[in-house]
Amino acid sequence: ETGVTQSPTHLIKTRGQQVTLRCSSQSGHNTVSWYQQALGQGPQFIFQYYREEENGRGNFPPRFSGLQFPNYSSELNVNALELDDSALYLCASSLPPGAEAFFGQGTRLTVV
Amino acid sequence: SQELEQSPQSLIVQEGKNLTINCTSSKTLYGLYWYKQKYGEGLIFLMMLQKGGEEKSHEKITAKLDEKKQQSSLHITASQPSHAGIYLCGADCVDSNYQLIWGAGTKLIIKP
Repeated sequence: ETGVTQSPTHLIKTRGQQVTLRCSSQSGHNTVSWYQQALGQGPQFIFQYYREEENGRGNFPPRFSGLQFPNYSSELNVNALELDDSALYLCASSLPPGAEAFFGQGTRLTVV
Repeated sequence: SQELEQSPQSLIVQEGKNLTINCTSSKTLYGLYWYKQKYGEGLIFLMMLQKGGEEKSHEKITAKLDEKKQQSSLHITASQPSHAGIYLCGADCVDSNYQLIWGAGTKLIIKP
């Protein structure tokens, strides 16, 4: 079985731009969660998708949005990028919500 | 702010020595997860604990969840260089709807 894969691995964007990050969940996993991890801190929950529906959201503004596709892969979109959005973005999949989650390697986003 | 408190923040241990990392919550936990992270990379699942008093072991790593399900400890016996990294505890709390909250991590350095 394949693990969780994220793309791209690194990304540099300019303030005000938009970005889309992608995540392929582990085979058979129907739940995908996204986290933002600033340097030296623990991950912060952004939102979770379960069977293509948003299943919970953390304390992030609406410019953070997402999608889950029928094959359970997912996208995280961030509009109007700010310097503070620079972080490691982690995707995790599980089956079902609440089971142990398996993480991708993350996407390192730098906003300049 | 971190709702899970991890201690210590960092730890330098002589190879071969034992060590303990603690994770404390102010809320009752449904589940407590331990992960290991190499700098700037994704999280590697170690163990999940759900029952009060539960203890699990994998190779030289043992994790316990106290009876009140508000504190967990991770114990490494006879530490090796491969144990170096950042250890993160994540928790699924009462009324959190499977949104994991995280500690800030414990950075472990193994001295040869």
